[in-house]
Amino acid sequence: AQKVTQAQTEISVVEKEDVTLDCVYETRDTTYYLFWYKQPPSGELVFLIRRNSFDEQNEISGRYSWNFQKSTSSFNFTITASQVVDSAVYFCALTANQAGTALIFGKGTTLSVSS
Amino acid sequence: DGGITQSPKYLFRKEGQNVTLSCEQNLNHDAMYWYRQDPGQGLRLIYYSQIVNDFQKGDIAEGYSVSREKKESFPLTVTSAQKNPTAFYLCASSTSGTGRYGYTFGSGTRLTVV
Repeated sequence: AQKVTQAQTEISVVEKEDVTLDCVYETRDTTYYLFWYKQPPSGELVFLIRRNSFDEQNEISGRYSWNFQKSTSSFNFTITASQVVDSAVYFCALTANQAGTALIFGKGTTLSVSS
Repeated sequence: DGGITQSPKYLFRKEGQNVTLSCEQNLNHDAMYWYRQDPGQGLRLIYYSQIVNDFQKGDIAEGYSVSREKKESFPLTVTSAQKNPTAFYLCASSTSGTGRYGYTFGSGTRLTVV
């Protein structure tokens, strides 16, 4: 069975602080894909990143960075110098490369950034 | 612009009524999905469809029904059998039936029972 755990329910930081959102996953598949989505107050989920199981390179995109470690089954997301606009719910998701499957989401982490 | 359109944005249902949530996409995606979101519960899969005229139950399909008569459309009916339908409903689509490229999401429908 596949599972995604986001242990942090809510995180509150002050602007310019760095913050890391944790994601731990479980799967028996050797080929799988991991995702992060952002859900602002408007409700629509916005795609942030996709990573396949064979690519453990960390990625940086502006203030965002992702750390993928197969040894610990983790795919953590760090926001550097957080801003108020980063306030949202963030979801980590997992899918195996199999037809007839769907993305499995964690319960999400609500990030609140205050000025 | 290509995307997914969900309507209505807000929907109110009386006890015992069936209601239908619309989801239309112009992305030419084969697969479409319905998720339900409750506070603190994340997204839970209701139904999904990999191809026209075919769909599968997700984890919480009881009290819901769907149809996929056209590639572009995947409406969700919340029936009176769904005892706790108040939630935020999200429709998504993907180019791959495996979801390996991720999903594109609509802006959601918030359903409230009155």
